[in-house]
Amino acid sequence: DAGITQSPRYKITETGRQVTLMCHQTWSHSYMFWYRQDLGHGLRLIYYSAAADITDKGEVPDGYVVSRSKTENFPLTLESATRSQTSVYFCASSESQAGESSYNEQFFGPGTRLTVL
Amino acid sequence: AQKVTQAQTEISVVEKEDVTLDCVYETRDTTYYLFWYKQPPSGELVFLIRRNSFDEQNEISGRYSWNFQKSTSSFNFTITASQVVDSAVYFCALSEPPYSSASKIIFGSGTRLSIRP
Repeated sequence: DAGITQSPRYKITETGRQVTLMCHQTWSHSYMFWYRQDLGHGLRLIYYSAAADITDKGEVPDGYVVSRSKTENFPLTLESATRSQTSVYFCASSESQAGESSYNEQFFGPGTRLTVL
Repeated sequence: AQKVTQAQTEISVVEKEDVTLDCVYETRDTTYYLFWYKQPPSGELVFLIRRNSFDEQNEISGRYSWNFQKSTSSFNFTITASQVVDSAVYFCALSEPPYSSASKIIFGSGTRLSIRP
Protein backbone atom coordinates (compact mmCIF):
# COMPACT_ATOMS: atom_id res chain seq x y z
CA ASP A 1 0.00 0.00 0.00
CA ALA A 2 2.09 2.92 -1.31
CA GLY A 3 -0.33 5.69 -0.29
CA ILE A 4 0.92 8.99 -1.56
CA THR A 5 4.36 9.39 -3.10
CA GLN A 6 6.35 12.31 -4.39
CA SER A 7 9.27 12.43 -6.80
CA PRO A 8 11.94 13.46 -6.84
CA ARG A 9 12.60 13.74 -3.10
CA TYR A 10 15.44 16.19 -3.71
CA LYS A 11 16.05 18.49 -6.65
CA ILE A 12 18.59 21.17 -7.40
CA THR A 13 18.01 23.37 -10.40
CA GLU A 14 19.02 26.73 -11.79
CA THR A 15 17.10 29.95 -12.12
CA GLY A 16 14.98 30.02 -15.27
CA ARG A 17 14.72 26.28 -15.73
CA GLN A 18 11.45 24.40 -15.84
CA VAL A 19 10.92 21.87 -13.08
CA THR A 20 8.10 19.39 -12.55
CA LEU A 21 7.38 17.80 -9.21
CA MET A 22 5.34 14.62 -9.33
CA CYS A 23 2.67 13.44 -6.93
CA HIS A 24 0.94 10.08 -7.09
CA GLN A 25 -1.68 8.59 -4.80
CA THR A 26 -3.07 5.08 -4.79
CA TRP A 27 -6.24 5.70 -2.78
CA SER A 28 -8.35 7.20 -5.61
CA HIS A 29 -8.91 10.27 -3.46
CA SER A 30 -10.82 12.99 -5.25
CA TYR A 31 -9.00 15.93 -3.72
CA MET A 32 -5.34 16.69 -4.12
CA PHE A 33 -3.30 19.64 -2.89
CA TRP A 34 0.11 21.20 -3.25
CA TYR A 35 1.70 23.12 -0.39
CA ARG A 36 5.05 24.76 0.12
CA GLN A 37 6.74 24.90 3.49
CA ASP A 38 9.02 27.78 4.33
CA LEU A 39 10.56 28.72 7.64
CA GLY A 40 8.27 31.01 9.58
CA HIS A 41 5.32 30.44 7.27
CA GLY A 42 4.18 26.95 8.05
CA LEU A 43 2.54 25.37 5.01
CA ARG A 44 0.89 27.49 2.35
CA LEU A 45 -1.47 26.17 -0.29
CA ILE A 46 -0.31 26.61 -3.88
CA TYR A 47 -3.00 24.82 -5.89
CA TYR A 48 -5.65 22.21 -5.29
CA SER A 49 -7.82 19.92 -7.36
CA ALA A 50 -11.28 18.58 -6.60
CA ALA A 51 -11.21 15.94 -9.34
CA ALA A 52 -9.58 15.13 -12.65
CA ASP A 53 -9.49 18.19 -14.90
CA ILE A 54 -10.64 20.49 -12.07
CA THR A 55 -7.99 22.69 -10.47
CA ASP A 56 -8.01 25.97 -8.59
CA LYS A 57 -5.58 28.44 -7.09
CA GLY A 58 -4.60 28.49 -3.47
CA GLU A 59 -2.85 31.14 -1.43
CA VAL A 60 0.43 31.38 -3.39
CA PRO A 61 -0.11 30.21 -6.99
CA ASP A 62 2.12 32.65 -8.88
CA GLY A 63 4.90 30.96 -10.82
CA TYR A 64 3.29 27.52 -10.67
CA VAL A 65 1.18 25.46 -13.03
CA VAL A 66 -0.74 22.26 -12.26
CA SER A 67 -2.66 19.68 -14.22
CA ARG A 68 -4.81 16.70 -13.29
CA SER A 69 -5.47 14.50 -16.29
CA LYS A 70 -5.75 11.40 -14.10
CA THR A 71 -7.23 11.12 -10.62
CA GLU A 72 -4.08 9.58 -9.17
CA ASN A 73 -1.56 12.13 -10.45
CA PHE A 74 -1.17 15.82 -9.67
CA PRO A 75 2.08 17.25 -11.08
CA LEU A 76 3.29 20.71 -10.12
CA THR A 77 5.38 22.63 -12.65
CA LEU A 78 7.59 25.63 -12.07
CA GLU A 79 7.73 27.07 -15.56
CA SER A 80 10.74 29.31 -14.91
CA ALA A 81 12.19 28.60 -11.49
CA THR A 82 13.25 31.48 -9.25
CA ARG A 83 15.33 31.48 -6.07
CA SER A 84 12.23 32.42 -4.06
CA GLN A 85 10.78 29.05 -5.03
CA THR A 86 13.43 27.23 -3.02
CA SER A 87 11.28 25.36 -0.53
CA VAL A 88 9.97 22.01 0.60
CA TYR A 89 6.90 21.00 -1.38
CA PHE A 90 4.22 18.73 0.01
CA CYS A 91 1.48 17.02 -1.88
CA ALA A 92 -1.65 15.88 -0.05
CA SER A 93 -4.88 14.10 -0.84
CA SER A 94 -8.24 13.56 0.81
CA GLU A 95 -11.42 11.67 0.10
CA SER A 96 -14.57 13.19 -1.34
CA GLN A 97 -16.55 15.36 0.99
CA ALA A 98 -19.89 13.94 2.01
CA GLY A 99 -21.88 16.87 3.27
CA GLU A 100 -21.30 19.76 5.59
CA SER A 101 -21.06 17.61 8.68
CA SER A 102 -18.24 15.45 7.52
CA TYR A 103 -14.63 16.12 6.84
CA ASN A 104 -11.83 13.90 5.73
CA GLU A 105 -8.32 14.73 6.80
CA GLN A 106 -5.59 15.30 4.30
CA PHE A 107 -2.82 12.74 3.96
CA PHE A 108 0.55 14.13 3.09
CA GLY A 109 3.35 12.82 0.92
CA PRO A 110 6.96 12.75 2.15
CA GLY A 111 7.84 16.08 0.54
CA THR A 112 10.25 17.28 -2.15
CA ARG A 113 13.10 19.54 -1.18
CA LEU A 114 13.73 21.92 -4.09
CA THR A 115 16.74 24.22 -4.29
CA VAL A 116 16.92 26.86 -7.01
CA LEU A 117 20.42 28.26 -7.51
CA ALA B 1 -10.13 35.91 7.21
CA GLN B 2 -8.88 32.67 8.66
CA LYS B 3 -5.71 32.75 10.66
CA VAL B 4 -3.82 30.41 12.95
CA THR B 5 -1.26 31.72 15.42
CA GLN B 6 1.31 29.59 17.18
CA ALA B 7 3.13 32.17 19.24
CA GLN B 8 5.74 29.74 20.57
CA THR B 9 8.39 29.37 17.89
CA GLU B 10 10.56 26.98 19.88
CA ILE B 11 10.18 25.13 23.15
CA SER B 12 12.82 23.07 24.90
CA VAL B 13 12.10 20.92 27.95
CA VAL B 14 13.75 18.08 29.79
CA GLU B 15 12.41 14.60 29.28
CA LYS B 16 9.43 13.65 31.47
CA GLU B 17 8.28 17.23 31.82
CA ASP B 18 4.79 18.19 30.68
CA VAL B 19 4.62 20.71 27.86
CA THR B 20 1.76 22.66 26.31
CA LEU B 21 1.77 23.99 22.77
CA ASP B 22 -0.53 26.95 22.24
CA CYS B 23 -2.75 27.54 19.23
CA VAL B 24 -5.06 30.51 18.71
CA TYR B 25 -7.25 30.77 15.64
CA GLU B 26 -9.45 33.31 13.90
CA THR B 27 -12.44 32.56 11.73
CA ARG B 28 -15.76 34.18 10.96
CA ASP B 29 -17.51 30.87 10.45
CA THR B 30 -19.44 29.07 13.13
CA THR B 31 -18.58 25.70 11.62
CA TYR B 32 -14.94 24.81 11.17
CA TYR B 33 -12.37 22.13 11.86
CA LEU B 34 -9.14 22.27 13.81
CA PHE B 35 -6.15 19.98 13.46
CA TRP B 36 -2.78 19.18 14.88
CA TYR B 37 -0.03 17.70 12.75
CA LYS B 38 3.41 16.49 13.81
CA GLN B 39 6.49 16.83 11.62
CA PRO B 40 9.38 14.76 13.02
CA PRO B 41 12.97 15.33 11.88
CA SER B 42 12.41 12.89 9.01
CA GLY B 43 10.14 15.51 7.45
CA GLU B 44 6.83 13.81 6.87
CA LEU B 45 3.61 15.28 8.21
CA VAL B 46 1.71 13.07 10.61
CA PHE B 47 -1.95 13.73 11.35
CA LEU B 48 -2.66 13.76 15.10
CA ILE B 49 -6.20 14.98 15.64
CA ARG B 50 -9.21 16.62 14.05
CA ARG B 51 -11.86 18.47 16.02
CA ASN B 52 -15.00 20.16 14.71
CA SER B 53 -16.30 23.39 16.15
CA PHE B 54 -19.38 21.80 17.69
CA ASP B 55 -17.41 19.40 19.82
CA GLU B 56 -15.76 21.19 22.73
CA GLN B 57 -14.95 18.07 24.68
CA ASN B 58 -11.33 17.75 25.53
CA GLU B 59 -9.63 14.69 24.14
CA ILE B 60 -6.95 12.48 25.57
CA SER B 61 -4.93 9.94 23.65
CA GLY B 62 -2.25 8.34 25.74
CA ARG B 63 0.20 11.06 26.73
CA TYR B 64 -1.42 13.55 24.37
CA SER B 65 -4.35 15.76 25.26
CA TRP B 66 -6.10 18.63 23.55
CA ASN B 67 -7.99 21.51 25.12
CA PHE B 68 -10.48 23.19 22.80
CA GLN B 69 -12.02 26.43 24.07
CA LYS B 70 -14.26 28.36 21.68
CA SER B 71 -14.57 31.25 24.13
CA THR B 72 -10.88 32.03 23.70
CA SER B 73 -10.51 30.59 20.17
CA SER B 74 -7.80 28.27 21.36
CA PHE B 75 -6.94 24.66 20.67
CA ASN B 76 -3.95 23.83 22.86
CA PHE B 77 -1.99 20.60 22.82
CA THR B 78 -0.38 19.10 25.90
CA ILE B 79 2.16 16.30 26.04
CA THR B 80 2.42 14.67 29.43
CA ALA B 81 5.67 13.06 30.55
CA SER B 82 7.44 14.09 27.37
CA GLN B 83 9.88 11.76 25.63
CA VAL B 84 12.77 12.38 23.28
CA VAL B 85 10.69 10.87 20.43
CA ASP B 86 8.24 13.73 20.85
CA SER B 87 10.84 16.11 19.44
CA ALA B 88 9.33 17.54 16.28
CA VAL B 89 7.68 20.56 14.77
CA TYR B 90 4.00 20.68 15.59
CA PHE B 91 1.49 22.49 13.41
CA CYS B 92 -1.95 23.64 14.34
CA ALA B 93 -4.35 24.14 11.42
CA LEU B 94 -7.85 25.38 10.65
CA SER B 95 -10.31 24.60 7.90
CA GLU B 96 -13.80 25.66 7.07
CA PRO B 97 -16.28 23.07 5.82
CA PRO B 98 -16.40 22.15 2.16
CA TYR B 99 -19.12 24.52 1.09
CA SER B 100 -17.37 25.01 -2.21
CA SER B 101 -14.90 22.83 -3.97
CA ALA B 102 -12.31 21.83 -1.40
CA SER B 103 -11.40 21.86 2.22
CA LYS B 104 -8.42 24.13 2.35
CA ILE B 105 -6.36 24.02 5.48
CA ILE B 106 -4.68 27.09 6.93
CA PHE B 107 -1.59 26.17 8.91
CA GLY B 108 0.08 28.00 11.75
CA SER B 109 3.79 28.65 11.49
CA GLY B 110 4.60 25.71 13.75
CA THR B 111 6.27 25.18 17.13
CA ARG B 112 9.57 23.37 17.25
CA LEU B 113 9.63 21.16 20.33
CA SER B 114 12.91 19.78 21.60
CA ILE B 115 12.96 17.22 24.37
CA ARG B 116 16.33 16.94 26.11
CA PRO B 117 17.31 13.63 27.69
